[in-house]
Amino acid sequence: DAGVTQSPTHLIKTRGQHVTLRCSPISGHKSVSWYQQVLGQGPQFIFQYYEKEERGRGNFPDRFSARQFPNYSSELNVNALLLGDSALYLCASSKGFEQFFGPGTRLTVL
Amino acid sequence: QKEVEQDPGPLSVPEGAIVSLNCTYSNSAFQYFMWYRQYSRKGPELLMYTYSSGNKEDGRFTAQVDKSSKYISLFIRDSQPSDSATYLCAMRTDSWGKFQFGAGTQVVVTP
Repeated sequence: DAGVTQSPTHLIKTRGQHVTLRCSPISGHKSVSWYQQVLGQGPQFIFQYYEKEERGRGNFPDRFSARQFPNYSSELNVNALLLGDSALYLCASSKGFEQFFGPGTRLTVL
Repeated sequence: QKEVEQDPGPLSVPEGAIVSLNCTYSNSAFQYFMWYRQYSRKGPELLMYTYSSGNKEDGRFTAQVDKSSKYISLFIRDSQPSDSATYLCAMRTDSWGKFQFGAGTQVVVTP
């Protein structure tokens, strides 16, 4: 079975731009979560979606938004990018209480 | 004070030694505990999970949870250079709650 997939792998943007990150969960997993991981820190929770509905939101500004599609894939959108948004963005899918991560999208904001 | 505290290391051990990692937490509502391994510039990989106090063993890995002390541990026996990575603890209050991660401990196993 394929694991969690994310695209793109790497992304370079400039301040003020908008970015869309994509995630496909493991087949059969209906819950998707997004995390931001800054170098040297653990992942920080951004959003959780289940059956296309938002189930949880972390302490991130409204510039961050997400959605889940009928096939359970998900998008994370970030508007008005700041230098501090540079990080590894991780998507995780879960079935039950186990959570499996994708390889991440490395976003660099210049 | 962070909800989950984890020593960032680096922790350097010789090949074959036992690696001992731990996390402390302040929220007594945490019920589900996990350990992830993360290689440089990769996504975290699930190693162990548990939702009760006591020990759980899987191959060379043993996870230990002490809810009364709010303390969890991961032990790696017969460590190998391929075990060199950052180890993250994570916990949640219920099966739907968000995961709270520690900062991760960098482990270096030298041949």
